[in-house]
Amino acid sequence: SQQGEEDPQALSIQEGENATMNCSYKTSINNLQWYRQNSGRGLVHLILIRSNEREKHSGRLRVTLDTSKKSSSLLITASRAADTASYFCAPRGSTLGRLYFGRGTQLTVWP
Amino acid sequence: EAQVTQNPRYLITVTGKKLTVTCSQNMNHEYMSWYRQDPGLGLRQIYYSMNVEVTDKGDVPEGYKVSRKEKRNFPLILESPSPNQTSLYFCASGTGFLEAGELFFGEGSRLTVL
Repeated sequence: SQQGEEDPQALSIQEGENATMNCSYKTSINNLQWYRQNSGRGLVHLILIRSNEREKHSGRLRVTLDTSKKSSSLLITASRAADTASYFCAPRGSTLGRLYFGRGTQLTVWP
Repeated sequence: EAQVTQNPRYLITVTGKKLTVTCSQNMNHEYMSWYRQDPGLGLRQIYYSMNVEVTDKGDVPEGYKVSRKEKRNFPLILESPSPNQTSLYFCASGTGFLEAGELFFGEGSRLTVL
């Protein structure tokens, strides 16, 4: 399966701390995407990293990709209470039309 | 405003009563897809459409139908809903799917089948 698996399932931190979430996958990919979901709402695209990239930044987000280990990490620096949400990775393989999501990491940031 | 609009947002129905969840996007996207989200199972793809009149099955298509007669609309049809279709449903759309695949999601439709 091309589904990503996020780790940990749940993460609880204080405001100002950094949050790191990991994603592992099993097949080769074209890119890997991270999405965020506020409770019960639609997913929002955060960042995309292509298979030939190793690191990408967007504001307080930093994503790394290690294709040899089939893993990615999402780092949120200086977390805020508003970052509380579920975060999903979605490895994009070669199968047209298919984007698989894992079960997500539930991040809670306490004020 | 660019958006994916789903209706209804909330629905309680009974077993066997046909229903349609509509999805419309205003971004001229070729690609559209339906997912369902269940606790502990994450998001699972039901059907997707690469363009008008082109649809294909995802991982959990049983009990669902779709059609893509217009680029902007991709309705999800439950011909005879059953309780195991109680779920949170998301429609998504995207462009340049062959190259990148960033998806834009609707706000979700919470369906309860009694």
